Amino acid sequence: DSGVTQTPKHLITATGQRVTLRCSPRSGDLSVYWYQQSLDQGLQFLIQYYNGEERAKGNILERFSAQQFPDLHSELNLSSLELGDSALYFCASTQSGGRGTDTQYFGPGTRLTVL
Amino acid sequence: GDSVTQMEGPVTLSEEACLTINCTYTATGYPSLFWYVQYPGEGLQLLLKATKADDKGSNKGFEATYRKETTSFHLEKGSVQVSDSAVYFCALSDPNNFNKFYFGSGTKLNVKP
Repeated sequence: DSGVTQTPKHLITATGQRVTLRCSPRSGDLSVYWYQQSLDQGLQFLIQYYNGEERAKGNILERFSAQQFPDLHSELNLSSLELGDSALYFCASTQSGGRGTDTQYFGPGTRLTVL
Repeated sequence: GDSVTQMEGPVTLSEEACLTINCTYTATGYPSLFWYVQYPGEGLQLLLKATKADDKGSNKGFEATYRKETTSFHLEKGSVQVSDSAVYFCALSDPNNFNKFYFGSGTKLNVKP
């Protein structure tokens, strides 16, 4: 158990809908990272938050947004869903937001299926 | 920009065989290097890491050495077990970019009894 929790574990929805994925980092960790893992594209970095502020952006679509709240949990919002958004979404956390030696601890993931 | 390239899988081995999964990287500066493992239906778990050149990371019989001259971080194990069957990801973190992580595409390992 990494200490990172993600809810829900599974999500099934229809095209055009909007969903929210939730992540709670390990106790004491200030940074949260979001990743998308699909069969044909491997693990894609989406976005990073550090202590409530956006720190780095990856291949995140404009239909997707995220935020980190004062209690450090984070939410990833996916809107106008398309079939191609079906994937595993992982959250990871680190203690700091800037040290290259930090290890990322991953949650168990949310499997999103868009029908 | 930064990137990680690892050998494509799947890799199929018999139990007790030797394993090498190749990983090379491109980075500016001095990244930290990681191997993560993903068992079926689970998230990624840190397997080992190395934070500077010539460091050797090791865990559960796996090891990898940070080779700056060849920009490589190959994963090795002398004798694999069926329980090692998983997907292995090589990754680097860029200290010049707020610890942004770059992952390889993953290598699936199947170990047969």
